Amino acid sequence: DIQMTQSPSSLSASVGDRVTITCRASQGISNYLAWFQQKPGKAPKALIYAVSSLQSGVPSKFSGSGSGTDFTLTISSLQPEDFATYYCQQYNSYPLTFGQGTRLEIK
Amino acid sequence: EVQLVESGGGLVQPGGSLRLSCAASGFTFSDHYMDWVRQAPGKGLEWVARIRKRGNSYTTEYAASVKGRFTISRDDSKNSLYLQMNSLKTEDTAVYYCARGQCSGGSCYCGLNWGQGTLVTVSS
Repeated sequence: DIQMTQSPSSLSASVGDRVTITCRASQGISNYLAWFQQKPGKAPKALIYAVSSLQSGVPSKFSGSGSGTDFTLTISSLQPEDFATYYCQQYNSYPLTFGQGTRLEIK
Repeated sequence: EVQLVESGGGLVQPGGSLRLSCAASGFTFSDHYMDWVRQAPGKGLEWVARIRKRGNSYTTEYAASVKGRFTISRDDSKNSLYLQMNSLKTEDTAVYYCARGQCSGGSCYCGLNWGQGTLVTVSS
């Protein structure tokens, strides 16, 4: 199975900050990497697929990059609604696997 | 508007069975792979199972933790997805989400859209 490791596990930031979350795969996953946002008590929401393609309706403040085994999600100009937990997912091979999540909190 | 509505969760004893359903609307259900994903209380997301579309012979994939106990199925005539869960264990306790797959560039990710989830509690 491909293990997905996110760092950091939690992050404190202020409104207006720019933050970066890292996701590392235990082996190469080509560009089959997606990112999700989840708020407490809610279902996840798709943000990005294929490393850097933004889902329809997702603001351009979210961006993704990377290749092979190392990937990043960057959120610019944080707003109160961005404070949530973020997950990466690899879909290169089965079983599909998620990172453990990064909790983004208000400083 | 895309909607995925899960139902069928509840309290069940270890060793028992439960069948989850997911009613889909707002998109052409038969054109999409569909998945089940679960989230144990206070934990992260765990992919459970996938069923491909008719053009891929409705083939299925499972996480090792549920293979042989859970069965994913679909009824395109009813725009519905199912998860039959047998031999349930306490560690199966979680919110179960139905998710729509999206295929792009040769592979298909899980989670273009998600339902609100249904809670399954396995306890004596």
